Amino acid sequence: AQSVTQLGSHVSVSEGALVLLRCNYSSSVPPYLFWYVQYPNQGLQLLLKYTSAATLVKGINGFEAEFKKSETSFHLTKPSAHMSDAAEYFCAVITNRDDKIIFGKGTRLHILP
Amino acid sequence: DAMVIQNPRYQVTQFGKPVTLSCSQTLNHNVMYWYQQKSSQAPKLLFHYYDKDFNNEADTPDNFQSRRPNTSFCFLDIRSPGLGDAAMYLCATSRGDGGTDTQYFGPGTRLTVL
Repeated sequence: AQSVTQLGSHVSVSEGALVLLRCNYSSSVPPYLFWYVQYPNQGLQLLLKYTSAATLVKGINGFEAEFKKSETSFHLTKPSAHMSDAAEYFCAVITNRDDKIIFGKGTRLHILP
Repeated sequence: DAMVIQNPRYQVTQFGKPVTLSCSQTLNHNVMYWYQQKSSQAPKLLFHYYDKDFNNEADTPDNFQSRRPNTSFCFLDIRSPGLGDAAMYLCATSRGDGGTDTQYFGPGTRLTVL
């Protein structure tokens, strides 16, 4: 069975500092991995996805993530945090047989002025 | 712009009073999903339609029903809402290709049960 673990339910960084949100996956087959962002009282917006084409994936809003098979990780990074990045971030993996997406528990990112 | 639309954005109902939430999409996607998301939790899949085929999750209460009259619309019916059903309800769609298929989410409907 596939699963996703997000380390840290809350992460705080200063404005302008590096953002690093951690995600580890478990999968018996090559995974397809996603990062979604959710702003308060909004739906989920796709930030980026890994589909085996390239291990370093660039997304919207300056975010990127690197797929590391040896570490079973797909951490999300952004070089310089902005106040508007404050939101909940979900890592997810999809099972390619039945279109079900499995979400991690989410990480709330706080940006300190 | 092609998108997933949910109405209303905020819904208040009374304990036990049936309520219907609406989702529409202009993406012409085959698959439509309904998720329940409680505060500070990940979305939980309730059920999904692949075209007209309904797929219920094993742990979805019977109180929750869904209808998909056509490709564009999907409804979530809560027959007798309880206080524990207060949550954000998210609708999502996908092409139905499997594998790399991306799910696109609507803005959600926040349900309050009084």
